[in-house]
Amino acid sequence: DQQVKQNSPSLSVQEGRISILNCDYTNSMFDYFLWYKKYPAEGPTFLISISSIKDKNEDGRFTVFLNKSAKHLSLHIVPSQPGDSAVYFCAATGAGGTSYGKLTFGQGTILTVHP
Amino acid sequence: GAGVSQSPRYKVAKRGQDVALRCDPISGHVSLFWYQQALGQGPEFLTYFQNEAQLDKSGLPSDRFFAERPEGSVSTLKIQRTQQEDSAVYLCASSPIRWAGAGQPQHFGDGTRLSIL
Repeated sequence: DQQVKQNSPSLSVQEGRISILNCDYTNSMFDYFLWYKKYPAEGPTFLISISSIKDKNEDGRFTVFLNKSAKHLSLHIVPSQPGDSAVYFCAATGAGGTSYGKLTFGQGTILTVHP
Repeated sequence: GAGVSQSPRYKVAKRGQDVALRCDPISGHVSLFWYQQALGQGPEFLTYFQNEAQLDKSGLPSDRFFAERPEGSVSTLKIQRTQQEDSAVYLCASSPIRWAGAGQPQHFGDGTRLSIL
């Protein structure tokens, strides 16, 4: 039962263009969403997050959009740079209760930005 | 050296051997998580500590997996009688507060890549 899904295993983008990574979730108890970036042989690095009370959060070149009714979120990177090439994981958690903030991850999307 | 540190980085063991994986969280971080990442997949939750208390071990695959954090800082994940399906990257993460939903993301170590022959 995959509660967080990233349906695109890979994405290739030209430098300077926009990268859009998508994520869908099924558990309506999730109310906090995060994006992590991972380089080979390194641990995931936090990128940006969004609470369910918002529909957009922006940090520099990175913007995350949340559509609660569709249970869908997306990460926009603009402009894309070659150094952005990595695996991107979407993760979700429910704050409070017995979730303890444990993260449920998607399968990841490999982003390649070509010079 | 302010990050989460894991050791060893790589571990090769024969099927049936016991292994121990170590995690040094960021100093002062209350919460500590272990995740298992199979090849081509996202990390999957194993267990959670708040200080020295193991509050959630619902993700541990079997009773061969055991984790501890006796003094509320360093944690060890032990796998007994290893099997080939235990081969994965084991990631440790810590955060300064009780749960990430309050706006504090988890900080991950670089993981231990475990290979069972």
